[in-house]
Amino acid sequence: AQRVTQPEKLLSVFKGAPVELKCNYSYSGSPELFWYVQYSRQRLQLLLRHISRESIKGFTADLNKGETSFHLKKPFAQEEDSAMYYCALSGRAAGNKLTFGGGTRVLVKP
Amino acid sequence: GAGVSQSPSNKVTEKGKDVELRCDPISGHTALYWYRQSLGQGLEFLIYFQGNSAPDKSGLPSDRFSAERTGGSVSTLTIQRTQQEDSAVYLCASSLGGGLSYEQYFGPGTRLTVT
Repeated sequence: AQRVTQPEKLLSVFKGAPVELKCNYSYSGSPELFWYVQYSRQRLQLLLRHISRESIKGFTADLNKGETSFHLKKPFAQEEDSAMYYCALSGRAAGNKLTFGGGTRVLVKP
Repeated sequence: GAGVSQSPSNKVTEKGKDVELRCDPISGHTALYWYRQSLGQGLEFLIYFQGNSAPDKSGLPSDRFSAERTGGSVSTLTIQRTQQEDSAVYLCASSLGGGLSYEQYFGPGTRLTVT
């Protein structure tokens, strides 16, 4: 069965500091990995996916199949990055449905 | 254009009552998903509809939960004989297709409180 683990429930950083959100997964097959974000009083939305290999809002994430990780990074956090972040996994063996991690709340202090 | 909408936004019900939650997907989206967001369990998959195929019900927690999708558009999630552990935010998402390349767009959710 697939599983996504986000070990940190809360990350508190100062504005301008780097931030890294950890995500580890287990999956039999070739996974698709995603990061979703939920800002205060807004709906859940896709931030980025590993197949796109793009940087969104300064965030990047690299899929490391050897370590089964998909950590999210940003070199200089901004106050507007304060939100709840969810790592998610899907794949053909999962029937295209998303399996989410428990989420990490990021608080960027001024 | 309009995004995924859900109604009601909040629902308070007494234990043992039945509830219906509605989801209006983005027009033209053939895939529709229901998820549940609760304190103890995080975000978990419930059910998935894709076109005219039989739904994937593998995430439904008990036979008190059911869902239907009429005309390939609107979906209703029904919880019978509600229990306190059903209290959660129920999220609906839709995507243009059912494949992995299609982004899932989420609705605002329905917050269900069972007293």
